[in-house]
Amino acid sequence: QKEVEQDPGPLSVPEGAIVSLNCTYSNSAFQYFMWYRQYSRKGPELLMYTYSSGNKEDGRFTAQVDKSSKYISLFIRDSQPSDSATYLCAGYPSGGYQKVTFGTGTKLQVIP
Amino acid sequence: DTAVSQTPKYLVTQMGNDKSIKCEQNLGHDTMYWYKQDSKKFLKIMFSYNNKELIINETVPNRFSPKSPDKAHLNLHINSLELGDSAVYFCASRLAGDQETQYFGPGTRLLVL
Repeated sequence: QKEVEQDPGPLSVPEGAIVSLNCTYSNSAFQYFMWYRQYSRKGPELLMYTYSSGNKEDGRFTAQVDKSSKYISLFIRDSQPSDSATYLCAGYPSGGYQKVTFGTGTKLQVIP
Repeated sequence: DTAVSQTPKYLVTQMGNDKSIKCEQNLGHDTMYWYKQDSKKFLKIMFSYNNKELIINETVPNRFSPKSPDKAHLNLHINSLELGDSAVYFCASRLAGDQETQYFGPGTRLLVL
């Protein structure tokens, strides 16, 4: 079992839809969680960074962490074609970014 | 005005060769990283480096060595290249203690024949 699991997709949605991207993880020591957006043939871009359980909102993006079920989510409201990319989740334990583990990403396509 | 730049963008080479990839950041960051992303998009951290310490992921072969001439540069030298080294290598940087300042470079696509 991989330490961080993501459905690879692709996930296709119409423009304006609410998108839900999800990850599960197995390492109970994870305290910090991140979502990255990666456009084709580009480097990842940090979208959201959260600590422990709870929600964090930034514009159209909301990150949600449920440590009890080891489940992390990214919601995108009013999705745009420019949101079409691969979304990577990641987690790491306290004081240990060098132990960060990434999921393999979910490819999202927002259709105009 | 590129924040994190890498050279070269593409690198095609033969097995057994030694090659280097360069990384420069103009953000004033003090921590830099190298990552490897394989053909299945799996991203793995290889090295974490600031002006105080180098942290190496224990799974990285010692054929890989980071070299930092100054705070703005972290180069990656690879000895005796193997087929399995083919991947995209990303450099990234951030301010120490502030993960939200992290920026990635555009990547170097390495193909070992």
